[in-house]
Amino acid sequence: GENVEQHPSTLSVQEGDSAVIKCTYSDSASNYFPWYKQELGKGPQLIIDIRSNVGEKKDQRIAVTLNKTAKHFSLHITETQPEDSAVYFCAASPINTGNQFYFGTGTSLTVIP
Amino acid sequence: NAGVTQTPKFQVLKTGQSMTLQCAQDMNHNSMYWYRQDPGMGLRLIYYSASEGTTDKGEVPNGYNVSRLNKREFSLRLESAAPSQTSVYFCAIATSRHEQFFGPGTRLTVL
Repeated sequence: GENVEQHPSTLSVQEGDSAVIKCTYSDSASNYFPWYKQELGKGPQLIIDIRSNVGEKKDQRIAVTLNKTAKHFSLHITETQPEDSAVYFCAASPINTGNQFYFGTGTSLTVIP
Repeated sequence: NAGVTQTPKFQVLKTGQSMTLQCAQDMNHNSMYWYRQDPGMGLRLIYYSASEGTTDKGEVPNGYNVSRLNKREFSLRLESAAPSQTSVYFCAIATSRHEQFFGPGTRLTVL
C-alpha cells in the first residue's frame, strides 16, 4: 500500500517568514495530493490540492509543488501570520484505482508574532 | 466542516461497552469515510463506503463495524470497546472531484 512521509513534525517561524512542509509518497499510482489544516479541537480542512498533471498550484499565500519523478510534494506558505498556526497534513490518493486517502503524520506549525 | 455532522461530540465508555458513532451529510456525495486520529500518527482509515450499500476495510478495521444506512448516513460501531480504541474519530465525505471534507469529530475515551 501507499506510504506517505511528512517532514518536519514541528516548525516554528517568525511572522512574515515563509514555511515549507515536505511529503514523500511511495505508490506511483497516486495522482491526487491534498493538504489539510487542522486547528485545535476541529476537523481537518482542505486548503489546497494538486493533481498529477500539474507541477505547481498557487492560492494567495499558499502554494503546492509536485515532483512526480521524485515522488515528493511540498506546501509553501509565504508571509506567515499567527492565524496560520495549526497542524498541517498532506495526503496522497490514487483516484483512478480506488477511493482511499493516505495521510502523513502532520506538521505542527507555530508562527511567532 | 459544513455539511458533515457527527454525534456525539464526546463519549466515555467502560471496557466492553458498545456504542455507535453517527455521521450524516447533507451534500449528496457517494463516498464516505471513517478515520481515527491518534497523537503522532496522523489520520488512519478505518472503513470507507464508495456508495450506498457498499463498505470496504481500511488500514485499521479490527474492532469496528460500519453500516451505510442510506446515501446520507454512515455509522461506526464498537461492539466491545477497548482502551486501545481511545481516540478522536472523524467522518469525512469525498466529492466527485475527490475533495474530502471532514466532520467536527468525536472524542472517545475508553476506561
